[in-house]
Amino acid sequence: GESVGLHLPTLSVQEGDNSIINCAYSNSASDYFIWYKQESGKGPQFIIDIRSNMDKRQGQRVTVLLNKTVKHLSLQIAATQPGDSAVYFCAERGDSSYKLIFGSGTRLLVRP
Amino acid sequence: GAGVSQSPSNKVTEKGKDVELRCDPISGHTALYWYRQSLGQGLEFLIYFQGNSAPDKSGLPSDRFSAERTGGSVSTLTIQRTQQEDSAVYLCASSSFRYGYTFGSGTRLTVV
Repeated sequence: GESVGLHLPTLSVQEGDNSIINCAYSNSASDYFIWYKQESGKGPQFIIDIRSNMDKRQGQRVTVLLNKTVKHLSLQIAATQPGDSAVYFCAERGDSSYKLIFGSGTRLLVRP
Repeated sequence: GAGVSQSPSNKVTEKGKDVELRCDPISGHTALYWYRQSLGQGLEFLIYFQGNSAPDKSGLPSDRFSAERTGGSVSTLTIQRTQQEDSAVYLCASSSFRYGYTFGSGTRLTVV
């Protein structure tokens, strides 16, 4: 499966700053994408999703951008808080399957 | 139920023993998924069930792994003759049709 071992990319930001987490996906036919947040010892928690017929979707303090041309997904978190510290995963779903394929994850550290 | 429930939350077993992991999905969700997450790594797809269709078993790593879903609800993942490399967190998710993927908190399996 997808993995980068213990060497997860890490993004360190100052509390109150905006964070941008990036993800490259693999299947140009994928039609649905989700961002998950995972805190230590817990299961992945849904943050926001986007369908392939959109290029931007906003939630509370979060925005997801989709660039299908270069198969790139990003998660923007506004006014990052200490509680946002976690590992963030993007997931894609192919148009002919129900299963989600996960990216390798990015660790977000928020400095007080 | 209100969320996806998994049991046990932790399981320590001796090498060579069989284990059963249980997942109780969100009521009404037709699809159920099993993923495996090794320490510090991403989520590896194992198997999914959709309604009465034949399950997609393409992610099962060996014939020691099997899963069933009874009555379209509760699912059991069975690992026979456990090996140390089976140690991981096993995560279950359910979804309604093709959206709303919700994960449980996982079962942490340790094979000693």
